[in-house]
Amino acid sequence: EADIYQTPRYLVIGTGKKITLECSQTMGHDKMYWYQQDPGMELHLIHYSYGVNSTEKGDLSSESTVSRIRTEHFPLTLESARPSHTSQYLCASSDPVIASLETQYFGPGTRLLVL
Amino acid sequence: DQQVKQNSPSLSVQEGRISILNCDYTNSMFDYFLWYKKYPAEGPTFLISISSIKDKNEDGRFTVFLNKSAKHLSLHIVPSQPGDSAVYFCAASPRGGSGNTPLVFGKGTRLSVIA
Repeated sequence: EADIYQTPRYLVIGTGKKITLECSQTMGHDKMYWYQQDPGMELHLIHYSYGVNSTEKGDLSSESTVSRIRTEHFPLTLESARPSHTSQYLCASSDPVIASLETQYFGPGTRLLVL
Repeated sequence: DQQVKQNSPSLSVQEGRISILNCDYTNSMFDYFLWYKKYPAEGPTFLISISSIKDKNEDGRFTVFLNKSAKHLSLHIVPSQPGDSAVYFCAASPRGGSGNTPLVFGKGTRLSVIA
């Protein structure tokens, strides 16, 4: 099982602030993902990366941006937070031995509240 | 159009009884399926998976059944315990040599196990 960490766990911030949500994994996984989930709703993929310097947008359009400068680190940034960004943000990673057997391991999540 | 469907948003089961969570999929290219469990304010935890070459996979109290012809899978939990109360997500992985397609998640089913 992957060791994957997210900080902060909870964040309350005012509108217009710039925020960065951190995600790190210690397993050397090439693949990393960001999901957004509202309470009681489905997981929406917003960004993913298949390796250093590789990032792709997911199914759900997001105003956030990501970077992948190091294998273990996949931060998500919101340049100007708005109340509509209030949600839970989940980071995941995977490194399947067999390409088609994709098991993702999730971090604990960051719960963001924008006032 | 949703490719992975969990048509029951919620399910209540008495402690000690069997819980059966269902999942349907539409994409015949899916060949690897997973179940995740999620508590509020935490990240999803990988539970169990099954490859399309099998029709059953068992791990302790958890068994996943796959019916490829019906494009249906189910998760059985026996016996159900109060600690099993959580949201359960079904996910599927498309077949592909490069494995460069993220998992597709269902909307989740909230299981409540009543003592």
